[in-house]
Amino acid sequence: DSGVTQTPKHLITATGQRVTLRCSPRSGDLSVYWYQQSLDQGLQFLIQYYNGEERAKGNILERFSAQQFPDLHSELNLSSLELGDSALYFCASSPGLAGGGETQYFGPGTRLLVL
Amino acid sequence: AQSVTQPDIHITVSEGASLELRCNYSYGATPYLFWYVQSPGQGLQLLLKYFSGDTLVQGIKGFEAEFKRSQSSFNLRKPSVHWSDAAEYFCAVGASQGGKLIFGQGTELSVKP
Repeated sequence: DSGVTQTPKHLITATGQRVTLRCSPRSGDLSVYWYQQSLDQGLQFLIQYYNGEERAKGNILERFSAQQFPDLHSELNLSSLELGDSALYFCASSPGLAGGGETQYFGPGTRLLVL
Repeated sequence: AQSVTQPDIHITVSEGASLELRCNYSYGATPYLFWYVQSPGQGLQLLLKYFSGDTLVQGIKGFEAEFKRSQSSFNLRKPSVHWSDAAEYFCAVGASQGGKLIFGQGTELSVKP
């Protein structure tokens, strides 16, 4: 158990809908990262937040957005869903902002299926 | 651009045999390197990491990896594989800008009895 929790575990929805994925980081960690794992793209970094502020962006679609709240939990919002958004979405956390040198601890993921 | 290549998509080894999973990276400076394992239906678990110092690093579950700068490699090894090691293994490099991890495509390991 990494200490990172994600809800829900599974999500099935229809095209055009909007969903929210939730992540609680390990106790004391200030950075939260979101990754998408799909068969064709592999594991791709989406976005990073540190202590409530956006710090880095990866290949995140404009239909996707995220935020980190004062209690440090984070939410990833996916809107106007398409079939291709079906994937496993991981949240990870790390203590601070030491760049690539920090170990990231991953949650169990949310499996999204868009029908 | 930083990148990670895992040349082997799928490897099958017999239980008790030795294992080596290959990882090559492209990076301008001394990289931060990681190996993660993903069991079916599970998240990613850190096996080991290299930041600096001794180029042979020990991890959990009997795994080790060796950083070779001259070959831009960070191969994962285990002397004797157990059936429970069957999983997908990901090599990753920590990006110099920001904290993101750049992952390889993964190597799926099957273990024959």
